[in-house]
Amino acid sequence: DVKVTQSSRYLVKRTGEKVFLECVQDMDHENMFWYRQDPGLGLRLIYFSYDVKMKEKGDIPEGYSVSREKKERFSLILESASTNQTSMYLCASSPPGIYGYTFGSGTRLTVV
Amino acid sequence: GQQLNQSPQSMFIQEGEDVSMNCTSSSIFNTWLWYKQDPGEGPVLLIALYKAGELTSNGRLTAQFGITRKDSFLNISASIPSDVGIYFCAGMWDSSYKLIFGSGTRLLVRP
Repeated sequence: DVKVTQSSRYLVKRTGEKVFLECVQDMDHENMFWYRQDPGLGLRLIYFSYDVKMKEKGDIPEGYSVSREKKERFSLILESASTNQTSMYLCASSPPGIYGYTFGSGTRLTVV
Repeated sequence: GQQLNQSPQSMFIQEGEDVSMNCTSSSIFNTWLWYKQDPGEGPVLLIALYKAGELTSNGRLTAQFGITRKDSFLNISASIPSDVGIYFCAGMWDSSYKLIFGSGTRLLVRP
C-alpha cells in the first residue's frame, strides 16, 4: 500500500515563526498536494506539484510556499506563521491520471 | 472556482439505519470520489466513479455518478458504530488531476 507520511501529528508555533511541514511518499508518485482542512470548509488546496522542482498554486496559496527537491518529498512552508493559519494540514499523493489521492494522517498546527 | 455542495452537513442516526448523502456541482465532473475520514486521521478513499451513470458498491456502501455528471450520491446500508466519521465527496473536472472537495458530512451512529 502507498504510504504518505507527515513528519508531525501536532505542532505548536509562535506567530511570526517560519514553519516547515514535511511530507514523504513511498510509491514514486508524480503528483503531490497540500490541503488545509477547517470545520465547515472542507479541504482547500494550497499548492500542488506534478514533478520535482515543479509547483503550482492552488486555491489559497497566500502565506505559504512549497519545495519539492526530490520526488518523494513535498514540503509546505509558512513564511511567517499567523494565528489564522491554525488548521489541520493534509498532504496527499497520486500517480498520473484520474485516480484518487492517498492522504497522510495530517498535521494539526496551532499558531499562538 | 469550482464549488461542490454536499448535504447533509451532519447526521445522527440509529445503528442499523440506512444513510444517504449527496453532492452537486455547478459544473461537469469527469470523476467522482468518496472519502471517509476517521477522527484524527487523513481521508481514505472509499469509492471511485469514472463514468456517468456508473453505480459502484464497496461492501455496504453504494455510490453513483449522476447522469448529468453534476452530482453523485453515497448510500450506506445497515449502519454500524464504526461508520462514524466525516464523509467527503470529491470531483475532478479536467486532466489537471486536481480534486475539488465538498465540505463533508459528519456521521454519528447511536448504538
